[in-house]
Amino acid sequence: EAGVVQSPRYKIIEKKQPVAFWCNPISGHNTLYWYRQNLGQGPELLIRYENEEAVDDSQLPKDRFSAERLKGVDSTLKIQPAELGDSAVYLCASSLAPSTSGEADTQYFGPGTRLTVL
Amino acid sequence: GQNIDQPTEMTATEGAIVQINCTYQTSGFNGLFWYQQHAGEAPTFLSYNVLDGLEEKGRFSSFLSRSKGYSYLLLKELQMKDSASYLCAVRDSNYQLIWGAGTKLIIKP
Repeated sequence: EAGVVQSPRYKIIEKKQPVAFWCNPISGHNTLYWYRQNLGQGPELLIRYENEEAVDDSQLPKDRFSAERLKGVDSTLKIQPAELGDSAVYLCASSLAPSTSGEADTQYFGPGTRLTVL
Repeated sequence: GQNIDQPTEMTATEGAIVQINCTYQTSGFNGLFWYQQHAGEAPTFLSYNVLDGLEEKGRFSSFLSRSKGYSYLLLKELQMKDSASYLCAVRDSNYQLIWGAGTKLIIKP
C-alpha cells in the first residue's frame, strides 16, 4: 500500500515569493492534516480536513496561508507571500477515520517538504 | 494551557533498556500516541494507549496512568537504528492532538 505522498521534498525561495505544497493521502483515508514542524519541536497543526471540509483551521495564519481539498482526496497548502519565519518542514498526514475514532485515528505521515525562505 | 513534557535528550547503550517519560496537562484526555522520528524523516506510529496499563509491541512497550497524567515508552534490547526522536502526543477533549517537543535518543555502541 502506498503511503502519504508529498511534493516537492525541498523548496528554496526568496521572501515575499509564493510557494505551494501538494499532498496525496493514503487511499481511503478521509481525514487529512497539514502540520508545520520546526527543528527540535513537535508538529504544529495548521489545518485538518474531514473529506473536503476544513473542520479545524484555527491555527492557520489566514493572512498568508491557504489550503484546499476540493475533491476530498489531494490537498494543496499555499503560502503567499512567504516570510523568513516560514522556514520549516511542512508535513501532511492522513488517517482512516475521524479524530473521534480512537486508534483508528492513527495518523500516517508523508516525508514532508523542507521549506527554506531566504 | 495545555502542556506535554518530555526530556529533551537521552543517551543509552546498545543492548540496554531505556525509558522515555512523558507527562501531560491537557483539557481532557482521549488517548495518547507515541511516534518515532528519525532525523530528516516523517514521524512513524509506534503505540496508542487509552486505558491505564502497559501495551507491549515487540521490543517497545508503552505505559499509561491517566490519574497521574503520565506515560512512558520502554525500549528493550536497544539497537543503533533506535537512535531517533520519540514524540508523545495526547488527544484532548476536543479530539485535537497535542504534541510534545520530542526526546532525542542517542544510542552508543
